[in-house]
Amino acid sequence: QLVLTQSPSASASLGASVKLTCTLSSGHSNYAIAWHQQQPEKGPRYLMKLNSDGSHFRGDGIPDRFSGSSSGAERYLTISSLQSEDEADYYCQTWGTDIVVFGGGTKLTVL
Amino acid sequence: QVQVVESGGGVVQPGRSLRLSCAASGFTFSTYAMHWVRQAPGKGLEWVAAISYDGSYKYYADSVKGRFTISRDDSKNTLFLQMNSLRVEDTAVYYCARDLGLISFYFDYWGQGTLVTVSS
Repeated sequence: QLVLTQSPSASASLGASVKLTCTLSSGHSNYAIAWHQQQPEKGPRYLMKLNSDGSHFRGDGIPDRFSGSSSGAERYLTISSLQSEDEADYYCQTWGTDIVVFGGGTKLTVL
Repeated sequence: QVQVVESGGGVVQPGRSLRLSCAASGFTFSTYAMHWVRQAPGKGLEWVAAISYDGSYKYYADSVKGRFTISRDDSKNTLFLQMNSLRVEDTAVYYCARDLGLISFYFDYWGQGTLVTVSS
């Protein structure tokens, strides 16, 4: 069964970097994913598509402070030079046989 | 610029129906697949349904299969979600999202959502 696992929460200081993790279930380590950001009381925003080889393609207007990388079944989102507006929920997402799967989301707090 | 704007949400009793709309602009609507995704209060995102760029393929989450129908009107650049036999657990903000292409199951633009409340 295709499942994406994310830590419920993360925190980092203003101006620092943070690395969020999304783990693909066993047997799905070659899957690509997408990362989406959801700021409080807003609709989600597409950040990037991330392939198993670590190549990633940011959405329109997404700054290069947001980058992606991969290792085995792990997919990472790194945010550098953290800003207050980066405080949000971050969801990873992929798809299987005619269905779409979301991770449970990571709530990022900027200290 | 690319925009998708949902409408049609509201309060409805269990067992009744509701039709959501999503007006698209800023891109050639007929060349993109489209999706509905929902978010229950305080919960994460849940994909609901997808329709291919030409409407020939439709996909549904098990939780809504047989009750919800996705459709599109390319002449009006509008996506629809017909929701029948609504349940309390269908209460959520419903988002319209554009696919990356013909049907890739990734989304690159989202709307602001419309709230559906199912309650007696």
